[in-house]
Amino acid sequence: GDSVTQMEGPVTLSEEAFLTINCTYTATGYPSLFWYVQYPGEGLQLLLKATKADDKGSNKGFEATYRKETTSFHLEKGSVQVSDSAVYFCGTGHNAGNMLTFGGGTRLMVKP
Amino acid sequence: GAGVSQSPSNKVTEKGKDVELRCDPISGHTALYWYRQRLGQGLEFLIYFQGNSAPDKSGLPSDRFSAERTGESVSTLTIQRTQQEDSAVYLCASSLGQGSNGYTFGSGTRLTVV
Repeated sequence: GDSVTQMEGPVTLSEEAFLTINCTYTATGYPSLFWYVQYPGEGLQLLLKATKADDKGSNKGFEATYRKETTSFHLEKGSVQVSDSAVYFCGTGHNAGNMLTFGGGTRLMVKP
Repeated sequence: GAGVSQSPSNKVTEKGKDVELRCDPISGHTALYWYRQRLGQGLEFLIYFQGNSAPDKSGLPSDRFSAERTGESVSTLTIQRTQQEDSAVYLCASSLGQGSNGYTFGSGTRLTVV
């Protein structure tokens, strides 16, 4: 089955800093790739996704590019805000299957 | 409904008791999933339902865990003879079928076994 590896947190940044959260995966075939975000006290929400190589998913200033050659889907944001403090999960999914596989999550803490 | 609804939001139970957790998926979503999230850890797949097909139970950690779903509606996750290591947030998600579409998650049930 698939496996997803994320950088361990917590990641602590000052407001307006540049963010990168690394994510690499192993999978058979060509999975879709996802980032989910979990704000404090809330459920997971889909942040962005990419379905094929070189696709870029983007939402709320966050971006991630599907890199097949490096099997990576790193999450980036140019200027983080305090409100971005949350746990971020990278995941894979397949057309032929239904289960998403998630990484362990990375906690982001943004200080004013 | 508009989203995935889980109940209760919090449950404290004594070791050895049985608990039942409920999930109402988004109307029309054929696939339903249960995951477990232990404190400070990632998501652990438990079980998956797709329409009327036999569920994928490969993630259930022991025979104390079971889940049911009636058609494409409500699902219940039952934990018998709870243990302290069962303490976690239990997350339910639903989707329109294919994993490549992503999920919509509920807010979870926080289970504490004392």
